[in-house]
Amino acid sequence: DQQVKQNSPSLSVQEGRISILNCDYTNSMFDYFLWYKKYPAEGPTFLISISSIKDKNEDGRFTVFLNKSAKHLSLHIVPSQPGDSAVYFCAEGSGGSNYKLTFGKGTLLTVNP
Amino acid sequence: NAGVTQTPKFRILKIGQSMTLQCAQDMNHNYMYWYRQDPGMGLKLIYYSVGAGITDKGEVPNGYNVSRSTTEDFPLRLELAAPSQTSVYFCASLAGANVLTFGAGSRLTVL
Repeated sequence: DQQVKQNSPSLSVQEGRISILNCDYTNSMFDYFLWYKKYPAEGPTFLISISSIKDKNEDGRFTVFLNKSAKHLSLHIVPSQPGDSAVYFCAEGSGGSNYKLTFGKGTLLTVNP
Repeated sequence: NAGVTQTPKFRILKIGQSMTLQCAQDMNHNYMYWYRQDPGMGLKLIYYSVGAGITDKGEVPNGYNVSRSTTEDFPLRLELAAPSQTSVYFCASLAGANVLTFGAGSRLTVL
């Protein structure tokens, strides 16, 4: 049973518009949620995170929203740029002294010029 | 800092062969991880280590072994390679309170 679910395998948006990537989770005992971006033939790179005690975190064009009652989080990218085209993974961080990340399957974002 | 370095980048193995994927980090991080990524799937944790001499199983450890004799190195050993182990393997280290830094990956094909 998946702990972290990204139900949209792909998303296509126009340059300059908003991209919204979604993630649902089942484990309420997490410490952080993180978003990673991955280009082909490269390792995942960290984008933004949010701790369990917050409901929003912003970093430039990227904002993550956490809705604990719905066990849902989303990543907003505004404005979207062609260079944002990549696979985005949602990951849950938990485990205390055995800290580790559990990943969703990813969403392929394509930003069209 | 070179970050997390993985070798080799690519490897083709025959069924039943063995090999070791190397991972090294120069950031003095205690926590290190091995994940695998199959097409259309997220990253699945194979093994992790919270410090030299300490390793533990992740979600998909069968067919793999690890060791952690130094803080810098965390090699992943594949014994008796099988086609199901065809995947891209990523090594990572814990860079801060919650963020993992990943290597560029090692693509393994078992034929």
